[in-house]
Amino acid sequence: AQSVAQPEDQVNVAEGNPLTVKCTYSVSGNPYLFWYVQYPNRGLQFLLKYITGDNLVKGSYGFEAEFNKSQTSFHLKKPSALVSDSALYFCAVRVSRGGSYIPTFGRGTSLIVHP
Amino acid sequence: DAGVIQSPRHEVTEMGQEVTLRCKPISGHDYLFWYRQTMMRGLELLIYFNNNVPIDDSGMPEDRFSAKMPNASFSTLKIQPSEPRDSAVYFCASSRGLAGGTETQYFGPGTRLLVL
Repeated sequence: AQSVAQPEDQVNVAEGNPLTVKCTYSVSGNPYLFWYVQYPNRGLQFLLKYITGDNLVKGSYGFEAEFNKSQTSFHLKKPSALVSDSALYFCAVRVSRGGSYIPTFGRGTSLIVHP
Repeated sequence: DAGVIQSPRHEVTEMGQEVTLRCKPISGHDYLFWYRQTMMRGLELLIYFNNNVPIDDSGMPEDRFSAKMPNASFSTLKIQPSEPRDSAVYFCASSRGLAGGTETQYFGPGTRLLVL
């Protein structure tokens, strides 16, 4: 079965420290992978995606993600966390549904950045 | 562009009542998605449309839920009759084609539904 997993419900990090939000996937074929962020009372916003090419993908707000095929992972990273980064983060992978490829989302990881 | 627009933003209703959620996708986007978000189940895809045609409704929980897209700029999700377990945040999203799954989805702000 094609799926994406976010093993941590919550990640806590101090402001200024590096952060990592984990994502692993299981798909057949090419794994097109996405990260979205959801701030309180808002819809999801696109951060970055991996389609092909360089394994390190850079996105919005200083975030980046590293595609690792051997470990089937696509972890989200940022060198120095900000309090304003506190939000819910979703990893997504495309799966085939109804003849099209639709992003399927993980359960989400709550990132809390402490001042 | 104003982005994906959803209305109402909040809805409180009593069990048994009909609820209608509305969505206006981004102009030029030919895919429209309805999602439901709850603490227990996370973000679930309910149904999606391509060029106003429903493609996959396997995520619709039961016959009480129905969705329509009468034209490229408007879609509705209807629950009749509503039940307390339908309480959730409902998101609409749109994208410009799916090109094999590479396109980005754009989400509306959501409708927070509470069924008493």
